[in-house]
Amino acid sequence: TQLLEQSPQFLSIQEGENLTVYCNSSSVFSSLQWYRQEPGEGPVLLVTVVTGGEVKKLKRLTFQFGDARKDSSLHITAAQPGDTGLYLCAGDQTGANNLFFGTGTRLTVIP
Amino acid sequence: AAGVIQSPRHLIKEKRETATLKCYPIPRHDTVYWYQQGPGQDPQFLISFYEKMQSDKGSIPDRFSAQQFSDYHSELNMSSLELGDSALYFCASSNRQIAYGYTFGSGTRLTVV
Repeated sequence: TQLLEQSPQFLSIQEGENLTVYCNSSSVFSSLQWYRQEPGEGPVLLVTVVTGGEVKKLKRLTFQFGDARKDSSLHITAAQPGDTGLYLCAGDQTGANNLFFGTGTRLTVIP
Repeated sequence: AAGVIQSPRHLIKEKRETATLKCYPIPRHDTVYWYQQGPGQDPQFLISFYEKMQSDKGSIPDRFSAQQFSDYHSELNMSSLELGDSALYFCASSNRQIAYGYTFGSGTRLTVV
């Protein structure tokens, strides 16, 4: 059973377009993290959101944590080819010493 | 800044052989995690250690074992290897007192032939 579902699974867009990736669960998380992974490399942490309703911005990336701390979204403005990669959300539950990863969204930005 | 170091980077083994993967966490990180990632899949949690004690256990097969040593490095031992064990194995470390979020190593690509 997958604790965190991401959508869409694949996304191919033109350079300059905007996009949103969703990460949903029926479980509550103490924090939600977003990672980006290049082929053959380990995931790299982009951001952690902790408070329900929290919004964090990282240049052209905007991350939001749902009020109930069950879901999150990642919005990219004016996507660039360098944004291409696998985006993974990961949830952290109180009392569990591990991360539950989402199903992943593979983004391709076409020049 | 120091990152999580994993070795070897690539490993090829035959079926039924054993393999040992090593992980050196970031200094002052007190928790180490092992993940397995198959082709096109998200990372699956195997096992974690907090201050050298096993902390949490995921979908780690009985053929696998792991430990964390006094210098905080960790090793994942895999025996009776099967073709299905071929995957990327990542180690990550964290210290919740410093910051949320895990730092992942570059992984070990294990191929079982």
